[in-house]
Amino acid sequence: QSVLTQPPSASGTPGLRVTISCSGSSSNIGSRHVNWYQQFPGAAPQLLIHSNDQRPSGVPDRFSGSKTGTSASLAISGLQSEDEAEYYCAAWDVSLRTWLFGGGTKLTVL
Amino acid sequence: EVQLVESGGGLVQPGGSLRLSCAASGFTFGDYKMHWVRQAPGEGLEWLSDINNGGGDTHYADSVKGRFTISRDNAKDLLYLQMRSLRAEETAVYYCARENIFGGMGAFDIWGQGTLVTVSS
Repeated sequence: QSVLTQPPSASGTPGLRVTISCSGSSSNIGSRHVNWYQQFPGAAPQLLIHSNDQRPSGVPDRFSGSKTGTSASLAISGLQSEDEAEYYCAAWDVSLRTWLFGGGTKLTVL
Repeated sequence: EVQLVESGGGLVQPGGSLRLSCAASGFTFGDYKMHWVRQAPGEGLEWLSDINNGGGDTHYADSVKGRFTISRDNAKDLLYLQMRSLRAEETAVYYCARENIFGGMGAFDIWGQGTLVTVSS
């Protein structure tokens, strides 16, 4: 069981907005930044959001991240069919001294 | 093109050893901390190990500490993961990843395509 908790699944209809949560603790999200990764089936993960809310170049502004206390969220607006993927949050844990990943959320576009 | 390419995966018996390699290209390899991450079939991502840019500082997940060794050859732009005493539950795709620093904060911005390690008799 992951130390960072994500819902196993999420869904939404095209054009609408969906959010994915990531819950941690004071030793990880509460004291460190959160990154988000997108992974398509059979492919390697790709960096989607870094430093809680920053998009690497090339990532559409439909994707946004936020962090409050020991929780973080990924929001996807204007949902598109090509957004169907697995999404993982990640943070460094200062107590465990390891990088932690959430268990992943499989996004389905209905 | 900035790229990481893993190799060395394959079938190994429980208790066996394997060495993975990760070839970097398109960037100054010696400037970056590097990581290994694995993903068991149908499961999530698990961070395994990292090594600083010079190779003198390494860290491991508890699950692999004492059995896996990370190393690098900056002259050859290569990252390695030596794995010993492998267990069936360590069957997974193994990825290498580059850590980039954004405003003082790290993130894995480049990933390899992964190499599959199957531990089975």
